[in-house]
Amino acid sequence: EDQVTQSPEALRLQEGESSSLNCSYTVSGLRGLFWYRQDPGKGPEFLFTLYSAGEEKEKERLKATLTKKESFLHITAPKPEDSATYLCAVQVSGAQKLVFGQGTRLTINP
Amino acid sequence: GAVVSQHPSRVICKSGTSVKIECRSLDFQATTMFWYRQFPKQSLMLMATSNEGSKATYEQGVEKDKFLINHASLTLSTLTVTSAHPEDSSFYICSAREGQGWYEQFFGPGTRLTVL
Repeated sequence: EDQVTQSPEALRLQEGESSSLNCSYTVSGLRGLFWYRQDPGKGPEFLFTLYSAGEEKEKERLKATLTKKESFLHITAPKPEDSATYLCAVQVSGAQKLVFGQGTRLTINP
Repeated sequence: GAVVSQHPSRVICKSGTSVKIECRSLDFQATTMFWYRQFPKQSLMLMATSNEGSKATYEQGVEKDKFLINHASLTLSTLTVTSAHPEDSSFYICSAREGQGWYEQFFGPGTRLTVL
């Protein structure tokens, strides 16, 4: 069965304290891995797509990396406005739908 | 980036009534649209996948006669919750994708449904 697991479930950081969120996956064949950000009461906002192991993408304070078993979302010198739930999802080869992880609730304290 | 809208953003209805939620892709043609529901502090749960001009494919456990999905055009999909009950209260989110391959899904802002 295709599975996506995110850790930690929740993470509290001080402003400026860098860290990483983990997304591990077990799928029959990976077509793509996606990272989204979701604020309370809103729909997920697209951040990154990663297609193959070794690929990296960056956007402002965020950097996403991918290996054959997991992906990391690195956040450098975060600010309070980076507080949100970060969702990881994979698209399995031959399927249209995404398989989502449970998300990591990130809180950045000023 | 691609923009997806939903209407209404919030709806309150009485038990037994039907509610229609619209999902539109504003700047691209969506060959595939997805409907999700999300309970508080939980991740998204896929309800159904719809391809333009075809019948929707429902996930296991989702009643297709209760959650009617129509994807009549490349920019519009609707979800109708028929004979809504309090347990149908949830946050409903749609997403849209331009191609049938590995293109990204872009999400709407969500609709908060409260059934009294």
